Amino acid sequence: GAVVSQHPSWVICKSGTSVKIECRSLDFQATTMFWYRQFPKQSLMLMATSNEGSKATYEQGVEKDKFLINHASLTLSTLTVTSAHPEDSSFYICSAGGLFGPGTRLTVL
Amino acid sequence: AQSVAQPEDQVNVAEGNPLTVKCTYSVSGNPYLFWYVQYPNRGLQFLLKYITGDNLVKGSYGFEAEFNKSQTSFHLKKPSALVSDSALYFCAVRSWGTYKYIFGTGTRLKVLA
Repeated sequence: GAVVSQHPSWVICKSGTSVKIECRSLDFQATTMFWYRQFPKQSLMLMATSNEGSKATYEQGVEKDKFLINHASLTLSTLTVTSAHPEDSSFYICSAGGLFGPGTRLTVL
Repeated sequence: AQSVAQPEDQVNVAEGNPLTVKCTYSVSGNPYLFWYVQYPNRGLQFLLKYITGDNLVKGSYGFEAEFNKSQTSFHLKKPSALVSDSALYFCAVRSWGTYKYIFGTGTRLKVLA
C-alpha cells in the first residue's frame, strides 16, 4: 500500500557540514510534498511545500538558503540542511498524499 | 487563516477512567479534522479523521472524537484509558483540496496505573 518513507531515520553530523534527508512516496506519486520540523516536546511546524518540477514554497521565517528543497521526481523530495549548526538539531518529518513519513532525527554536534 | 488550539499541555488520567483531549479549530469553509498520536522518537500515527457525515467519529485503538460545529471543537475521547495510551497527541486541520496540515501544539497524555 501507499507509504511515505524517509532516509536516514537518524543522522549525526559535525557543525558546518551539510546533511541531506530523502522523502519518498511508495506506490503513489506526489506532485506536492511537505516538510515539517519538530523541536523537542513541541508541535510540528510546517517548513515548506515541495513542488515537483518547480521551486519550493517556504513558510515565513524559514531560511530557504539554509534548508534547500529539491523535488526532482514525482516520488522523491529532498531536504538539505546546509552548514548545519547545533540549533538545527531537530526531528524532521515529511508528508505526501495525506501520509506522514517516520521522521528523521538530526543531531548536529 | 487556519489554526488549531489544544488548550492543555498535559492531561493526567487514571487507568480505566475515561479520557478527553481537547481541540478547537478556526478555518474558513468546511474543515477536515484529524487526530494523530506520537510516541517518543517516532513518527505520527493516524487515529481518526472527520471529513463529513456523523459528528461522532470512531478511530483506532478505541478512540473517538466528536465534531461540534457550533463550538468549533473536535475533542478526542476514550471510554477507558490504558497506560499504553500515554503519548503525545496532535489535533490537525487540513483544507479541502490540499494535503497541507496545520497542527495544534500537542497534548501529552499520561495514564497512571
